[in-house]
Amino acid sequence: GDSVTQMEGPVTLSEEAFLTINCTYTATGYPSLFWYVQYPGEGLQLLLKATKADDKGSNKGFEATYRKETTSFHLEKGSVQVSDSAVYFCALSDQTGANNLFFGTGTRLTVIP
Amino acid sequence: DSGVTQTPKHLITATGQRVTLRCSPRSGDLSVYWYQQSLDQGLQFLIQYYNGEERAKGNILERFSAQQFPDLHSELNLSSLELGDSALYFCASSVGVAVYNEQFFGPGTRLTVL
Repeated sequence: GDSVTQMEGPVTLSEEAFLTINCTYTATGYPSLFWYVQYPGEGLQLLLKATKADDKGSNKGFEATYRKETTSFHLEKGSVQVSDSAVYFCALSDQTGANNLFFGTGTRLTVIP
Repeated sequence: DSGVTQTPKHLITATGQRVTLRCSPRSGDLSVYWYQQSLDQGLQFLIQYYNGEERAKGNILERFSAQQFPDLHSELNLSSLELGDSALYFCASSVGVAVYNEQFFGPGTRLTVL
């Protein structure tokens, strides 16, 4: 079945460092791909998405490109801030038409000043 | 604030008991999803309703059931609770079921089974 494999955490970076969180997926078709962020004590929020190959999703300085050839959707940010500290989830949509999401295990990012 | 509300925020109960978690979707959203977040299983899709009808099932145990009412709020019923059911339960809602319909998540209900 469809699944998402996400880079294990936790990740600790200094402010203004470059961030990469790896995500690869397994799917029989062409799912849509998402990154969600969960701040402490809150629910998940959609960070960005891409619906087809070579699409680049971007938001708040974060970017991810849908790479069909490597089945990847790595999250990047050029300069992280303390406020980016959160748990990041890679997800894909199911392809049955129900729009359900399958999530990776999550990567906890801590940014230190 | 996503506009999705969940009650209660915390729930502590004993093994063997039954609990009901409630979710009110964003105004205008017809689809409701339930997810379970636990330390060992991660974040898993449980069940989805669309306009009152069950639309999809994920890894939902037979001891769990859900429904969506005419006013579109949803309830997740968990019975014969076990220690392993301790988790954060999220509800999400979306306007429809197309992939481009963003899911908005509530703050979650934290269930602790003692």
